[in-house]
Amino acid sequence: KAGVTQTPRYLIKTRGQQVTLSCSPISGHRSVSWYQQTPGQGLQFLFEYFSETQRNKGNFPGRFSGRQFSNSRSEMNVSTLELGDSALYLCASNRGQSNTEAFFGQGTRLTVV
Amino acid sequence: DQQVKQNSPSLSVQEGRISILNCDYTNSMFDYFLWYKKYPAEGPTFLISISSIKDKNEDGRFTVFLNKSAKHLSLHIVPSQPGDSAVYFCAASPYYGGSQGNLIFGKGTKLSVKP
Repeated sequence: KAGVTQTPRYLIKTRGQQVTLSCSPISGHRSVSWYQQTPGQGLQFLFEYFSETQRNKGNFPGRFSGRQFSNSRSEMNVSTLELGDSALYLCASNRGQSNTEAFFGQGTRLTVV
Repeated sequence: DQQVKQNSPSLSVQEGRISILNCDYTNSMFDYFLWYKKYPAEGPTFLISISSIKDKNEDGRFTVFLNKSAKHLSLHIVPSQPGDSAVYFCAASPYYGGSQGNLIFGKGTKLSVKP
């Protein structure tokens, strides 16, 4: 069974640009969540999508957005990039039911210069 | 304000001994807790979880203990192996009966197991 796949693995962007990251969840998983990991703040929740609808949202500015497709694949978009957006972006999938574990992808390392 | 705290940034243990990683939380509405292991530049790997209706869950060398009254959980690794060296994250789910799509993480504890 394939795991969670994130593409690309690495990205370098310039301030002011926008970026789109992709996540393919484990087959059968309907929930996809996104997290940002930075050295100072640790792992922080961005948002969760379930059945193409945003179900939960963390405390991030509106520049961070996402969507989920009918096949449960999800994309995350960051507009008007800032230097502080440099981070490891992680996607996690789970079945979307209570008390089930979330499985993470390898992450996308975004560097904003 | 941190809702999930791992107060020890690092822990060093001899191979074969027990590793005990601790985690405290403040939100009494948390009802599901998970431990993840993470290597640099990789995604976290799920280790073990526990529901708030239990006080212990075991899986091979890994055991998680939950003390709800103290809002404290711990991960025991016995025996510790050099391959266990990694950063360990404690995570909690804030919604009763909800999905684990929204996890609150601690800052992690770096475990070093010395041969």
